[in-house]
Amino acid sequence: AQKVTQAQTEISVVEKEDVTLDCVYETRDTTYYLFWYKQPPSGELVFLIRRNSFDEQNEISGRYSWNFQKSTSSFNFTITASQVVDSAVYFCALKETSGSRLTFGEGTQLTVNP
Amino acid sequence: NAGVTQTPKFQVLKTGQSMTLQCAQDMNHEYMSWYRQDPGMGLRLIHYSVGAGITDQGEVPNGYNVSRSTTEDFPLRLLSAAPSQTSVYFCASSATGQVSNQPQHFGDGTRLSIL
Repeated sequence: AQKVTQAQTEISVVEKEDVTLDCVYETRDTTYYLFWYKQPPSGELVFLIRRNSFDEQNEISGRYSWNFQKSTSSFNFTITASQVVDSAVYFCALKETSGSRLTFGEGTQLTVNP
Repeated sequence: NAGVTQTPKFQVLKTGQSMTLQCAQDMNHEYMSWYRQDPGMGLRLIHYSVGAGITDQGEVPNGYNVSRSTTEDFPLRLLSAAPSQTSVYFCASSATGQVSNQPQHFGDGTRLSIL
């Protein structure tokens, strides 16, 4: 069965610090998809990125970057020069191609203090 | 763009009452799903549908019913509300569900309290 683990329940940093959110997953499929979602205090879920299992290139989007390592089953998310507006709960999720289910991790509450 | 619309946004029920959470999407997505979000447990899948007339159970289906008579609508029914069903409920849709890397689009959520 697929599983996603976000070991960091809460992280607190000071503005402008870099922060990395960890995500480790388990799956028996050889092809799968990984996602990150952001849930700000207002409560909605915002899609951030999708990664296919056959594409191990890291990705950078502004202050956000993602490090996908298939060998360690990890898909970590780094925010560079964090800002107060980055304060949110971040979810990592996995979708196997053998099914329709999207499995979420427990989420990491990130607080960025001014 | 409306996207995924959930109603109501808030609801308080008494134990034993029934109600329906509404979900509608205007993106012509085949795949729709319902999740519940509880503290420290992430989002857990309740039921999902890969198209009109087709539904299936997720991880935590007990106490909930769904139907999919149209592509646009996917209501979630609580038959006899219990305090354990106090949660935030999210509806989501995506273009295709079976073999897809498409992200799911989420509604704004329904905060449900059962007294």
